[in-house]
Amino acid sequence: QQQVKQSPQSLIVQKGGISIINCAYENTAFDYFPWYQQFPGKGPALLIAIRPDVSEKKEGRFTISFNKSAKQFSLHIMDSQPGDSATYFCAPIYSSASKIIFGSGTRLSIRP
Amino acid sequence: NAGVMQNPRHLVRRRGQEARLRCSPMKGHSHVYWYRQLPEEGLKFMVYLQKENIIDESGMPKERFSAEFPKEGPSILRIQQVVRGDSAAYFCASSLTGDNQPQHFGDGTRLSIL
Repeated sequence: QQQVKQSPQSLIVQKGGISIINCAYENTAFDYFPWYQQFPGKGPALLIAIRPDVSEKKEGRFTISFNKSAKQFSLHIMDSQPGDSATYFCAPIYSSASKIIFGSGTRLSIRP
Repeated sequence: NAGVMQNPRHLVRRRGQEARLRCSPMKGHSHVYWYRQLPEEGLKFMVYLQKENIIDESGMPKERFSAEFPKEGPSILRIQQVVRGDSAAYFCASSLTGDNQPQHFGDGTRLSIL
């Protein structure tokens, strides 16, 4: 049972452009919506997260948009830089279980 | 470095041997999680432990795999009689509490089975 669907699978963006990654979920019990960033050979690192009582959260160049009724949330990276090239995972979680359900990942490449 | 520490970073085993993966959580964290990542895939939950207790092992294979988090020392993920399909990156994460708090990940152990 696939609870989390992430798209696109891969994404190429020019330096300075906007990168957008989407995540759709099925389980309405999810109550915390993080995005993780993973570089080759490294573990995932928490990038930004949102709770369902707000529709948007911005931290620097990174923004999460959350649509509770559509059961979707997305990551926007403004002014994308080559250093942003990594794999990104949406990873919603629900407190009663604690385990993270990772999306399948988006491999982002920023062209200089 | 106060982050999650995993060792070894790379482990090579022959089929039928045992693999032991260690994880020291962040200082002050008493909740540990193990995940497995196959190449080009997302991480899959395996097991969630607190000190001396297994809370959720719904992602653990029924045979050959076991995990522990003793009162003293690191958490251990143990794989007995390894097979080629066990080749993967195994990540450990820790959190301060288990109530949808952020999980902080180590850099993983890459297990290769010859």
